[in-house]
Amino acid sequence: KAGVTQTPRYLIKTRGQQVTLSCSPISGHRSVSWYQQTPGQGLQFLFEYFSETQRNKGNFPGRFSGRQFSNSRSEMNVSTLELGDSALYLCASSKRGQGTEAFFGQGTRLTVV
Amino acid sequence: QQQVKQSPQSLIVQKGGISIINCAYENTAFDYFPWYQQFPGKGPALLIAIRPDVSEKKEGRFTISFNKSAKQFSLHIMDSQPGDSATYFCAASMMVGAQKLVFGQGTRLTINP
Repeated sequence: KAGVTQTPRYLIKTRGQQVTLSCSPISGHRSVSWYQQTPGQGLQFLFEYFSETQRNKGNFPGRFSGRQFSNSRSEMNVSTLELGDSALYLCASSKRGQGTEAFFGQGTRLTVV
Repeated sequence: QQQVKQSPQSLIVQKGGISIINCAYENTAFDYFPWYQQFPGKGPALLIAIRPDVSEKKEGRFTISFNKSAKQFSLHIMDSQPGDSATYFCAASMMVGAQKLVFGQGTRLTINP
């Protein structure tokens, strides 16, 4: 059974640009959550999508947005990148409502220069 | 109230010893407490999880102890091995919106051979 797939693995962007990250959940998982991981702030919840609708949102500015497609794949977008957005962005998938175990992908390492 | 406090930040244990990592939470609405293990360059991997209706859960060498009245839970790794060297995160969430995990700051565990 394939795990959670995130693409790309690494990205380098310039301040002010925008970026789109992709996440393909485990087959049969319909919930996708996104997290930001930094050395200073640790792992922080960004948002969760289920059935193409945002169900939960963390405390991040509106520059961070996401969406989910009918096949449960999800994308996360960050606009007007700032240096502080440099982080590992992790996606987790789960069977919402049938158990709360969340399985993480390997993440996308974003560096903003 | 949403915080989960984890200690210690780093821990060195001799091979064969017991590794103990502690977490404390404030929000009594939390009712799902997983532990994740993360190796460098990888996403967090679910290790073991507990719900507050039990005081202890054991899976192989890994045990979670849960103290509901003290709002504390801990991870014990018995017979610690060099391959256990990783960063460990405790987390908490609510069954409603269970995909929104609140993480502790992490513990870097080193097992000396």
